[in-house]
Order: sequence, then C-alpha cells, then structure tokens
Amino acid sequence: DTGVSQDPRHKITKRGQNVTFRCDPISEHNRLYWYRQTLGQGPEFLTYFQNEAQLEKSRLLSDRFSAERPKGSFSTLEIQRTEQGDSAMYLCASSRDSSYNEQFFGPGTRLTVL
Amino acid sequence: GNSVTQMEGPVTLSEEAFLTINCTYTATGYPSLFWYVQYPGEGLQLLLKATKADDKGSNKGFEATYRKETTSFHLEKGSVQVSDSAVYFCALTIGAAGNKLTFGGGTRVLVKP
Repeated sequence: DTGVSQDPRHKITKRGQNVTFRCDPISEHNRLYWYRQTLGQGPEFLTYFQNEAQLEKSRLLSDRFSAERPKGSFSTLEIQRTEQGDSAMYLCASSRDSSYNEQFFGPGTRLTVL
Repeated sequence: GNSVTQMEGPVTLSEEAFLTINCTYTATGYPSLFWYVQYPGEGLQLLLKATKADDKGSNKGFEATYRKETTSFHLEKGSVQVSDSAVYFCALTIGAAGNKLTFGGGTRVLVKP
C-alpha cells in the first residue's frame, strides 16, 4: 500500500490557461473521488468514478472541468480557461467498493490562479 | 440534502486538557459518520468512524459516539498533547449515494505546552 499520490503538488497558472492534475489511487481500489477544498473550509465533493465509469458529478463541476479515468486506474482532472475562483486545493481519494468504505486521501494539488 | 455542522475554531487548549468538538448532521438516508484530521502540511487522515447508531469509534485516545436521537457525533479526548494540534473535520457518507463524503467546515485545534 503506497498510498494515494497526486501530481503536481503545486500549480501556479495565469487566468485563462488550462491545467491538468493527476491522481494515482491505491492499486486495488475501485473507487476514486475528487474534492475541492478552499482555505478555511471543508472539502467539497466534485465527482467520483467506479473503475472507469464516472458515476456522479457535483453541480460545482462546471463545463470547464472534466475528469477521466480511462483504464480504471489513475485519473486526471482538467480545468479549462482557469479563473481566479478556481484557486483551491484539489484532493483525490480512493476506496474499495464496499458498503462501509474508508476513503484514503492524497496530499492534494494546490492551484493558484493569478 | 446532507450537511454537517461543527463548532468553529480555533480551539486553544493547554496540554492535558479535555477536548470536545461538537458535530451535528442532517442526512436524507442512514449515514456513516467519520472524523478526519489534517495535521499541518499533511493530507487528510481518517481518525475514527461509526457506521450505525450507538456505535463508538475510537483511535489515538479520541472517541466519538453515533447518536441518532440527537443527530450528533461529538469528538472527545481526555488529555490532549501538543501533537494533537491540527484541523479536525466531521463528515458523513450515505451508502446509497455513492459514499461521497460531506464534510463540516473544520475545527482548528491548537494545543499549547
């Protein structure tokens, strides 16, 4: 169990640029979740996958956001035409597919949009 | 919808003091309840959980009891240490809703020597 990893850890970009983040879950975990955490707040759910299928997207996930998990392993989260309001910590978590799963979180990617 | 409300911080304590962080929830189904902790510079870690009414979760000296009648899951520790300084998040999941976590706003705890 090597834990959930995320890359990059920090990203600074200019408004209007596109950014892509990667998450590598724990290897035997079927479920993968993305959350967003702004300063001083709790994480908010964005989307989740079971294997390669994206099963739910939050209303927080505007059309500029897209997430993929093409082979049911790693996932990417892309933000197009970034805005200053996108500045946040983007967290990835994974879990087994069970009734009382525990989600294991990665260290997060901190995005700063200038 | 589902929501979690927890006491605002920061909570400042002296070492060996008793800690309580209140957490209440509203849920459309039958939730599982969690406390996560975020130490400075680190990611979220699961601290403890309870999956049904009257269950008590415990870990590292922390305890929380799932109270369905008061829709609460208060976190307690009898004697805190400086190393317990962190941000604590109460959260819930609903199995039928994909087990996505709904978090409270977090409570920062600072323990002074």
